[in-house]
Amino acid sequence: DGGITQSPKYLFRKEGQNVTLSCEQNLNHDAMYWYRQDPGQGLRLIYYSQIVNDFQKGDIAEGYSVSREKKESFPLTVTSAQKNPTAFYLCASSSLDFTYEQYFGPGTRLTVT
Amino acid sequence: RKEVEQDPGPFNVPEGATVAFNCTYSNSASQSFFWYRQDCRKEPKLLMSVYSSGNEDGRFTAQLNRASQYISLLIRDSKLSDSATYLCVVIRLDNAGNMLTFGGGTRLMVKP
Repeated sequence: DGGITQSPKYLFRKEGQNVTLSCEQNLNHDAMYWYRQDPGQGLRLIYYSQIVNDFQKGDIAEGYSVSREKKESFPLTVTSAQKNPTAFYLCASSSLDFTYEQYFGPGTRLTVT
Repeated sequence: RKEVEQDPGPFNVPEGATVAFNCTYSNSASQSFFWYRQDCRKEPKLLMSVYSSGNEDGRFTAQLNRASQYISLLIRDSKLSDSATYLCVVIRLDNAGNMLTFGGGTRLMVKP
C-alpha cells in the first residue's frame, strides 16, 4: 500500500535536546512538506522540498532543520533553539503537478518538558 | 489579519440538519481553493475542490465567491460521521511555486 509513514507517533523529550522526526513516503512524490499544528490552529508550514538535495523555509522555520537526501525521506530535526517545540507535527507529500492534493502522514505528537 | 480565517466553532447540530461554514481569505491573488477534513487527532485529508461555479459531491456543496473573497461548505442531511474539523485551504502562486495556506479549521459536532 502506498502512503506516508511518520514515526514515532508520540515523542517525549527534555528541554535542550535536539530530536529528529522521521517521514517516509512511497508514493513517488517529488514534493514533501513539514507542518506544525497547535491546538485550535491551522497548519503552519515549517519547511518544504520539491527535489532531492533542495529545500526551502516555510513560515516558521526558525529552530528547525531538514534534509532531503533521498526522494522518499524528509526528516525534520527540532533543535533546542525552537522556543515552543511541543506540538503536533505533520508531514505531507504531493506531486508537483497537483500540489493542492497533499497526502499526510499520521503525525507525531512531540512533548518537550 | 490572517491570510485565511475560519470560525473555529464548534458548530453543534442534530443529525439530519443542514450546516454551512464560511472561510475568508485576504489575498486577492489566491487562485485555488479546497476543503480538507481532519478527524480528531488524525491527519487532514482532501475533501473537495472549490470552483466559482460551485462543486457538489453528494451531500457536500462547496462554493467560491471571489468578489467577497470567501469560500463556503454546505453539508446537507448531517450524519454523526460528519463530526470533524473542516479546514479551508487557499493556494496562491509565488516565486517558489504554489503556496498553500490552511485556515484554523471549523469544528463540527453532529449529535443524535
